Amino acid sequence: SQQGEEDPQALSIQEGENATMNCSYKTSINNLQWYRQNSGRGLVHLILIRSNEREKHSGRLRVTLDTSKKSSSLLITASRAADTASYFCATPLEGFKTIFGAGTRLFVKA
Amino acid sequence: GAVVSQHPSRVICKSGTSVKIECRSLDFQATTMFWYRQFPKQSLMLMATSNEGSKATYEQGVEKDKFLINHASLTLSTLTVTSAHPEDSSFYICSARRLAGTRQENIQYFGAGTRLSVL
Repeated sequence: SQQGEEDPQALSIQEGENATMNCSYKTSINNLQWYRQNSGRGLVHLILIRSNEREKHSGRLRVTLDTSKKSSSLLITASRAADTASYFCATPLEGFKTIFGAGTRLFVKA
Repeated sequence: GAVVSQHPSRVICKSGTSVKIECRSLDFQATTMFWYRQFPKQSLMLMATSNEGSKATYEQGVEKDKFLINHASLTLSTLTVTSAHPEDSSFYICSARRLAGTRQENIQYFGAGTRLSVL
């Protein structure tokens, strides 16, 4: 079963706009991670936010975490066509397994 | 950054044949690797956890005899799809867990994936 669930499932925006994706999870976590997947490729780790952190930045990425609501958001500012990809939130479970959400497919139009 | 190499990137085979996929961590040792399966436009489904020197741990519903996993060294895990059938056609992705800092955070590094097509 999926631990994380992202919304929206798909998002289409113009280049330069901001893109916001949300993730909800079910169990207690130590950290939450966001990954990116280009079509037909493996995943690339973007950012990790720990359970005692509320917000984290990395370049054009901003991640928030609300443990009371069991939710996280990923904001990509000033999007570019190259940001077109699928984005997954992931939560590590016992035994070092990581469970991925369903993902948000982002399409940035040039 | 850490590099995980997965080979082959694509394989087309006849029904009934076996296919082996390799996953190597190139610049770090990985005691734990993971194998995922992904259908088009869907998320990754964890198939099994590959532990170096011991038997793999399979997720519920994954046939152990169908998907053989061997993790013989700290840098190599293999997935063999035995007697492949068209329904096994999918995108298979491996990942290797790397310890980060002092908190042993579970950051995974992924291979580029293998697209298996069974005719």
